[in-house]
Amino acid sequence: QKEVEQNSGPLSVPEGAIASLNCTYSDRGSQSFFWYRQYSGKSPELIMFIYSNGDKEDGRFTAQLNKASQYVSLLIRDSQPSDSATYLCAVNPGGGNKLTFGTGTQLKVEL
Amino acid sequence: DGGITQSPKYLFRKEGQNVTLSCEQNLNHDAMYWYRQDPGQGLRLIYYSQIVNDFQKGDIAEGYSVSREKKESFPLTVTSAQKNPTAFYLCASGTQLRTDTQYFGPGTRLTVL
Repeated sequence: QKEVEQNSGPLSVPEGAIASLNCTYSDRGSQSFFWYRQYSGKSPELIMFIYSNGDKEDGRFTAQLNKASQYVSLLIRDSQPSDSATYLCAVNPGGGNKLTFGTGTQLKVEL
Repeated sequence: DGGITQSPKYLFRKEGQNVTLSCEQNLNHDAMYWYRQDPGQGLRLIYYSQIVNDFQKGDIAEGYSVSREKKESFPLTVTSAQKNPTAFYLCASGTQLRTDTQYFGPGTRLTVL
């Protein structure tokens, strides 16, 4: 079983819609959770992090964490074509410095 | 202008050669990391360092070496022992407050000819 799992996609949404990206993790002791955006050929860019159960909002982005169910999600409201990218979920499983990354979900926002 | 720089952006190597990838940061971060990314795979940790003159192996350290002589610099050497070195190499550093909150440099794309 992979430690961090994401659906590879592509996930296609129309412009202006809400995009919902999901990530599940296997280690119940995981402490912190991150979402990165990666455009094709570029390096990952940190867009959200969340440490506590519940929702965390930053502009058009909302991260949702449910530790009991071991999933973390990212909602993108009012999706724009510029949001088209691969979104990587990363988890700190042990409370140290190391992150475990999922393989990413490709998002396509269509006009 | 604070950030993480990596050089070169593209690197071509012949089989049997060692190459060194540069990573520099002026963010005053203690922790630094090296990852490789292959198509269809997640980022895999090669080496990481939490303080100067100390570093630890990650999940795929075989065929790689690092040094951390200065806080700002964390170069990665890809040796001839690395069997499949063609990949996108990413350097990251971790914030003072939360070393697991990592920010990435622009990456180096290495191709073995």
